[in-house]
Amino acid sequence: GAVVSQHPSRVICKSGTSVKIECRSLDFQATTMFWYRQFPKKSLMLMATSNEGSKATYEQGVEKDKFLINHASLTLSTLTVTSAHPEDSSFYICSASPTDTQYFGPGTRLTVL
Amino acid sequence: GNSVTQMEGPVTLSEEAFLTINCTYTATGYPSLFWYVQYPGEGLQLLLKATKADDKGSNKGFEATYRKETTSFHLEKGSVQVSDSAVYFCALKEGGGNQGGKLIFGQGTELSVKP
Repeated sequence: GAVVSQHPSRVICKSGTSVKIECRSLDFQATTMFWYRQFPKKSLMLMATSNEGSKATYEQGVEKDKFLINHASLTLSTLTVTSAHPEDSSFYICSASPTDTQYFGPGTRLTVL
Repeated sequence: GNSVTQMEGPVTLSEEAFLTINCTYTATGYPSLFWYVQYPGEGLQLLLKATKADDKGSNKGFEATYRKETTSFHLEKGSVQVSDSAVYFCALKEGGGNQGGKLIFGQGTELSVKP
């Protein structure tokens, strides 16, 4: 199957700082990538759809100024959590699709102190 | 709107027991259906999928049949192993076609298999 990577796998930061998470499609090009957030023992919540060369589409209730998404190339999308606070601590997962099936990255565990 | 409902977990089974995890959906049109598995601390891995009514997806001994008449996609395995312990997510993809559209997930079902 297709391979999607994320970096970093784990990050700890201080409150008020910004954190960037990268999502890459390694063996295919993706005009669209998706960003999800997962709380412990909970399902995945779609945050936004990242569109190559245009603005991301955010789900209702997700602050676009807080969670900045950039999809500058066909293999890379980035999620920046700006001015992070402890409530932003979570597991962030991206996905991309070369066909009708989405493939997921391994996730990034963000802890904000 | 579209939605997916899974049976609540956790499900605890003994090794070699039969597994069923129920999944029902609500959707307009003809969605594609998926089962994903998540091992602790990892992302989601595709387990199997079905794209139209009566299709059966299968992989690693797991199988699920797309039942349009009951709007269901129940996951089954005849004999579970300890290594199957994970969280299982049922999902539907909105819209048809070959593009990777938005996924709607069920709440996930945690499976624990004891030796």
